[in-house]
Amino acid sequence: QSVLTQPPSVSGAPGQRVTISCTGSSSNLGAAYDVHWYQQLPGTAPKLLIYINNKRPSGVPDRFSGSKSGASASLAITGLQAEDEADYYCQSYDARLRGVVFGGGTKLTVL
Amino acid sequence: QVQLVESGGGVVQPGRSLRLSCAASGFTFSSYAIHWVRQAPGKGLEWVAFTSYDGGDKWYADSVKGRFTVSRDNSKNTLYLQMNSLTVEDTALYYCAKSATVTTSLDSWGQGTLVTVSS
Repeated sequence: QSVLTQPPSVSGAPGQRVTISCTGSSSNLGAAYDVHWYQQLPGTAPKLLIYINNKRPSGVPDRFSGSKSGASASLAITGLQAEDEADYYCQSYDARLRGVVFGGGTKLTVL
Repeated sequence: QVQLVESGGGVVQPGRSLRLSCAASGFTFSSYAIHWVRQAPGKGLEWVAFTSYDGGDKWYADSVKGRFTVSRDNSKNTLYLQMNSLTVEDTALYYCAKSATVTTSLDSWGQGTLVTVSS
């Protein structure tokens, strides 16, 4: 299983708010390494969505926000839209493994 | 704009080798680290390898250590992944992605090249 733990799936109706959790350990998120989030639309490459815990790259709507506390992080999406239906991945660095680690991914379904 | 274009994928038999390339443009290639990340069919993202901006630091996932080698030619703005002793578990879409360092985000990704290991 993945070093960072995410729920396999979440869902919500248009306009609602959903959150995706990402749980790590003392060698990654708990060691104060930043978490980054990616959105992967069907059939496309991943795209950076949130970096350094809560920063949005240019062009990412403010409906997307991130937070981190200790060894856990979360991605929140408000005002859910059909186009948000995608897979979402958290990512960090792990000092014990000496490498980049990803969460297993969360499939967001817009009902 | 930033562009990363992977190539070199294909169908290869178990135990054989393959070399992937990642051609970069739209940014100062020699100033950025580059990662290889793969995604098996229907699965999640798996980090494979990292090289620092100058190729001086190279890190690998345990699953490929000793079999895969990452290198870069900054004069050609190109990154390579030499993959030896391939197994069916290496079947995946391979992406290259740029970052500032090993702990920072992967801010731009290529479209990937598909590697299929099959007899």
